[in-house]
Amino acid sequence: EPEVTQTPSHQVTQMGQEVILRCVPISNHLYFYWYRQILGQKVEFLVSFYNNEISEKSEIFDDQFSVERPDGSNFTLKIRSTKLEDSAMYFCASSESGETQYFGPGTRLLVL
Amino acid sequence: KNEVEQSPQNLTAQEGEFITINCSYSVGISALHWLQQHPGGGIVSLFMLSSGKKKHGRLIATINIQEKHSSLHITASHPRDSAVYICAVRSLGNQFYFGTGTSLTVIP
Repeated sequence: EPEVTQTPSHQVTQMGQEVILRCVPISNHLYFYWYRQILGQKVEFLVSFYNNEISEKSEIFDDQFSVERPDGSNFTLKIRSTKLEDSAMYFCASSESGETQYFGPGTRLLVL
Repeated sequence: KNEVEQSPQNLTAQEGEFITINCSYSVGISALHWLQQHPGGGIVSLFMLSSGKKKHGRLIATINIQEKHSSLHITASHPRDSAVYICAVRSLGNQFYFGTGTSLTVIP
């Protein structure tokens, strides 16, 4: 069964460094999402992406964040200058029609 | 502020019991999702609802748009149902809001 994959599974970085989190959505899916979950807290929406552009973003998704679909298969989330409070599990999801979403296993980011 | 509220926060049940998890929301929505999060963190979509009722195996989800309320029912609960169940809504502005989850433990 097709699944969403994410790399790396874990990332440790120093505050102020740039990180790129990678996602490979299910191949025929057209809608892509990033969410984050700070340890012990609820999942939070970051951004949705369709037709090679951002369709919606939350207040969390400020200028430090960007998303890209560089090669038609990968979907990346870049954090330009990481802060301690960016430490969280980041989930990518994809959807064929914008309805049911399929989630990746997540990337656990730790900012020191 | 919490756009999505779930109850109960924690639930322990004996195997075989009928379980209900409730979700109330305060925003106008185009869809409501029920998700299951396993102890390792992985998230699985169970249902997407915009009206009425859906059933999949032992799981039933209902939504009342007028009352801004949804319920997730598990019939004949089993220890493998132990997980965190999360209610999430897509607002009319296409933002997604998540509840804090209901942690379910089913005891054999």
